Amino acid sequence: AQSVTQPDARVTVSEGASLQLRCKYSYSATPYLFWYVQYPRQGLQLLLKYYSGDPVVQGVNGFEAEFSKSNSSFHLRKASVHWSDSAVYFCAVRNNAGAKLTFGGGTRLTVRP
Amino acid sequence: EAAVTQSPRNKVTVTGGNVTLSCRQTNSHNYMYWYRQDTGHGLRLIHYSYGAGNLQIGDVPDGYKATRTTQEDFFLLLELASPSQTSLYFCASSDDWEYNYAEQFFGPGTRLTVL
Repeated sequence: AQSVTQPDARVTVSEGASLQLRCKYSYSATPYLFWYVQYPRQGLQLLLKYYSGDPVVQGVNGFEAEFSKSNSSFHLRKASVHWSDSAVYFCAVRNNAGAKLTFGGGTRLTVRP
Repeated sequence: EAAVTQSPRNKVTVTGGNVTLSCRQTNSHNYMYWYRQDTGHGLRLIHYSYGAGNLQIGDVPDGYKATRTTQEDFFLLLELASPSQTSLYFCASSDDWEYNYAEQFFGPGTRLTVL
């Protein structure tokens, strides 16, 4: 069975700083990988997705993520954060033989003005 | 226009009460899902469905029933609500997983409080 770990429950950064949110997954083969964002009082929105090809994938609003098979990781990055990026970020994994998504516990990002 | 809608947005009930949460999607997706979101646990899958009349058991199904009446409508039923079911509930839909990413599209959530 697949699993996802987001080791940082909370991250605080200053506006304009760079950001990395960590995600580690457990799955025997290459899974489908996703990052979702949840803004206050809203549902989840897709930031980016990855399955194969270039290990660095671009998403919306300047976010990117890098897949590492050797580290079983899919870390999310942004070069310069804005206060509006404050939200909860979820990493999720789906295996290649079913519809179920498995989510990490989420990372709450606070951007200080 | 929102493609996945949920009702009600907020619900308060008492222990032992009956609750029905509703979800409608206009994405023409075959798959629909019910999750609960609790701090520290992320989203956990309760039930999901592939088409009208179909129901699949998720990872945390105890205490929940679900019914898919049409391709658009998926309901979550709590017949004897307990305080442990106080949570934020999300519905989602997706294309068939055989077709590429099958990314899921989420509704705005229903906050349920069981007193």
